[in-house]
Amino acid sequence: GNSVTQMEGPVTLSEEAFLTINCTYTATGYPSLFWYVQYPGEGLQLLLKATKADDKGSNKGFEATYRKETTSFHLEKGSVQVSDSAVYFCALSPYNNAGNMLTFGGGTRLMVKP
Amino acid sequence: GAVVSQHPSWVICKSGTSVKIECRSLDFQATTMFWYRQFPKQSLMLMATSNEGSKATYEQGVEKDKFLINHASLTLSTLTVTSAHPEDSSFYICSASVTGKETQYFGPGTRLLVL
Repeated sequence: GNSVTQMEGPVTLSEEAFLTINCTYTATGYPSLFWYVQYPGEGLQLLLKATKADDKGSNKGFEATYRKETTSFHLEKGSVQVSDSAVYFCALSPYNNAGNMLTFGGGTRLMVKP
Repeated sequence: GAVVSQHPSWVICKSGTSVKIECRSLDFQATTMFWYRQFPKQSLMLMATSNEGSKATYEQGVEKDKFLINHASLTLSTLTVTSAHPEDSSFYICSASVTGKETQYFGPGTRLLVL
């Protein structure tokens, strides 16, 4: 079956540090890949996505590249801010999935200190 | 665009009562809605998938008689937790999508506390 594995958190960084949150997946075919962000007490917000190999999704300074050869979709940001503190979820949606089912990773909590 | 709302955002109820949570897509017609449950510091667990006008499909281990889902229109789905017990206390999140589009849009969540 499909699965998503994320690095365990929490990840604690100082402001302006470089961020990487690793995400690898297992799926048949060519899934679409997503990063969602959840701020404290809120639901999930779509951060970025990529739908095919070598695509790069980007938003708000975050980016992730769909790497089929390594089945990875690592999230990166060059300079984090305190406001980036949240839980980040990597997810996949199988190719040709009419039901739009998402499989989530376990989430990675990011804490950015001033 | 693509805004999903949930109501209420917080609910506290006594054990044995039923609680209804609404999920609305405000600016688009959602052919499919999903209900998730999230325990503290954990990932989202899919409870069920519902398509407008048809019965919901429940994930294994989710009691369909306890968690009643109704998707009566293209903009509204409801989750009713029947005879709630303290172990049902959790954060319930809905999402909505359009057939043929893989992106799900999430609501802000409803925190349920059963005393």
